Amino acid sequence: DAKTTQPNSMESNEEEPVHLPCNHSTISGTDYIHWYRQLPSQGPEYVIHGLTSNVNNRMASLAIAEDRKSSTLILHRATLRDAAVYYCILIISNFGNEKLTFGTGTRLTIIP
Amino acid sequence: GAVVSQHPSWVICKSGTSVKIECRSLDFQATTMFWYRQFPKQSLMLMATSNEGSKATYEQGVEKDKFLINHASLTLSTLTVTSAHPEDSSFYICSARGGAQGETQYFGPGTRLLVL
Repeated sequence: DAKTTQPNSMESNEEEPVHLPCNHSTISGTDYIHWYRQLPSQGPEYVIHGLTSNVNNRMASLAIAEDRKSSTLILHRATLRDAAVYYCILIISNFGNEKLTFGTGTRLTIIP
Repeated sequence: GAVVSQHPSWVICKSGTSVKIECRSLDFQATTMFWYRQFPKQSLMLMATSNEGSKATYEQGVEKDKFLINHASLTLSTLTVTSAHPEDSSFYICSARGGAQGETQYFGPGTRLLVL
């Protein structure tokens, strides 16, 4: 599986935008970029995913570099509830056999 | 939509007993369910993948006779930890995918197991 690299931790002030980077230099053409987050003592929560184009949903935006070797998850206005570990994961769309391989993720701390 | 539940949310048991954890997809049919384990301050580790009606596929190093997985319907999978020991104490999390959800996996809230 192609590997991703994320910073171990980041801090951000409440109500400010947060940009969480992810490097995936060995990504292949069929790999989707997925982001999940895990709040303390909970199961992971799906955030967003994309293939080539930037994506927006109610939770966040995903900016994908033109060469697809990196991506950035954008939280437009961080709240205390956004404090979590954020995982960037590559998945080959194989309709039935995709496995998620969780790395260490980025622990996001929100400062009130 | 895309809600996955787990039961129980936490369990304490004596060493040597068996514990069953249920995972249900509440509003979609899950053709595939996954079971993960997470130790404190570590990331999630995939234990096994199960497709409805067939035997589970276990990851390397996971004992299939110790962690019994059943996926008898499109909305229910169970994980049974047989003859549990203190080293099996962990946070067990299931996820499900299927139908309109595509390749996205949706996770349950997790079950915290403590073996005394």
